[in-house]
Amino acid sequence: QKEVEQNSGPLSVPEGAIASLNCTYSDRVSQSFFWYRQYSGKSPELIMSIYSNGDKEDGRFTAQLNKASQYVSLLIRDSQPSDSATYLCAVKNLNNNNDMRFGAGTRLTVKP
Amino acid sequence: GAVVSQHPSWVICKSGTSVKIECRSLDFQATTMFWYRQFPKQSLMLMATSNEGSKATYEQGVEKDKFLINHASLTLSTLTVTSAHPEDSSFYICSADLTRSYEQYFGPGTRLTVT
Repeated sequence: QKEVEQNSGPLSVPEGAIASLNCTYSDRVSQSFFWYRQYSGKSPELIMSIYSNGDKEDGRFTAQLNKASQYVSLLIRDSQPSDSATYLCAVKNLNNNNDMRFGAGTRLTVKP
Repeated sequence: GAVVSQHPSWVICKSGTSVKIECRSLDFQATTMFWYRQFPKQSLMLMATSNEGSKATYEQGVEKDKFLINHASLTLSTLTVTSAHPEDSSFYICSADLTRSYEQYFGPGTRLTVT
């Protein structure tokens, strides 16, 4: 079982719709959770971090964390074509040298 | 967010030569930096964790004698690909921990092509 699993997609949504990206992780002691956006040919860009159960909102983005289910998600409201990218879920265990484990990423396409 | 720079942004070298990539944290001190490699259409793969003032910790399967890492200061880590071969052609990305928030910020990456 992979440490961090994401649906590779591609996920296609129309402009203005809500895009829902999901991620599960296997290490129960994981403590920090992140969503990165990576455009083709570019390095990842941090868009959200979440550390406790529940929802965290930042503009059009909402991260949701459920530690009991080992599940973290990212919702993108009012999706725009510029949101088209690969979204990487990342999990960090602060007791394990702080290294971060990444999912394979979900490719999102927002169609105008 | 915090700023991490990498140099060069791209490099082409001949097989058998060595290439050094620099990673700098510009507005914060980073006791820990990370080196990743990404092949086309694949996910990030952690190569090694670079700790200031001590030896790097390499992931399983990564040759420490081929990928030399030096973290000589709190703002600079270098990765040297020694005796590069075409299969080393990849996108190399460094990142640094913003310790007080546990967030990790990435440099812009270095695209290496070995001919």
